[in-house]
Amino acid sequence: GAGVSQSPSNKVTEKGKDVELRCDPISGHTALYWYRQSLGQGLEFLIYFQGNSAPDKSGLPSDRFSAERTGGSVSTLTIQRTQQEDSAVYLCASSLELAGGPTDTQYFGPGTRLTVL
Amino acid sequence: QKEVEQDPGPLSVPEGAIVSLNCTYSNSAFQYFMWYRQYSRKGPELLMYTYSSGNKEDGRFTAQVDKSSKYISLFIRDSQPSDSATYLCAMTWTGAQKLVFGQGTRLTINP
Repeated sequence: GAGVSQSPSNKVTEKGKDVELRCDPISGHTALYWYRQSLGQGLEFLIYFQGNSAPDKSGLPSDRFSAERTGGSVSTLTIQRTQQEDSAVYLCASSLELAGGPTDTQYFGPGTRLTVL
Repeated sequence: QKEVEQDPGPLSVPEGAIVSLNCTYSNSAFQYFMWYRQYSRKGPELLMYTYSSGNKEDGRFTAQVDKSSKYISLFIRDSQPSDSATYLCAMTWTGAQKLVFGQGTRLTINP
């Protein structure tokens, strides 16, 4: 079946511009996560959605970052006034949330590679 | 200091060798430990998942957790060129949703 998809796969933008990154989770997955993978940093958690609500947004690095999820499906991560340090691969993951919590396998998309010039 | 430390490598070994990958962590609340494999330009995929201390084996892969030392390992036996990838450890605690990842170790298996 179809996995997690993300678009665009690559995005190059100029410093100060806004960008929107899209995530389509696996159909039926109620949980959705955004992570950021910077060179030499590993994956950093950004935000978690349960349905359309975001009970944990503790990883968003600043108020320039926001995310929403609609219809319990597609999610958009928006970065306003992009800075060079925002350059990274932004990964989305989804899970079924059968048991709730750590035992639910997170399935990752291929990521969006963001470059801020 | 990061909550999870992982040597980024790179690590290069000949085909057939036993590979040992390791992570240390500082948060004693971590109860769930995972290993993800990430091929170039792809998202990570779950390899192994272990709860609390102990060993878990799946084919050529063995995951070990030593909570007393706050140390986890992944062993790959009879390594193959197709095992060449970045391996990320991840962990979390009861009631949490987010995963805390190590930096990832880049592994190359040479034919």
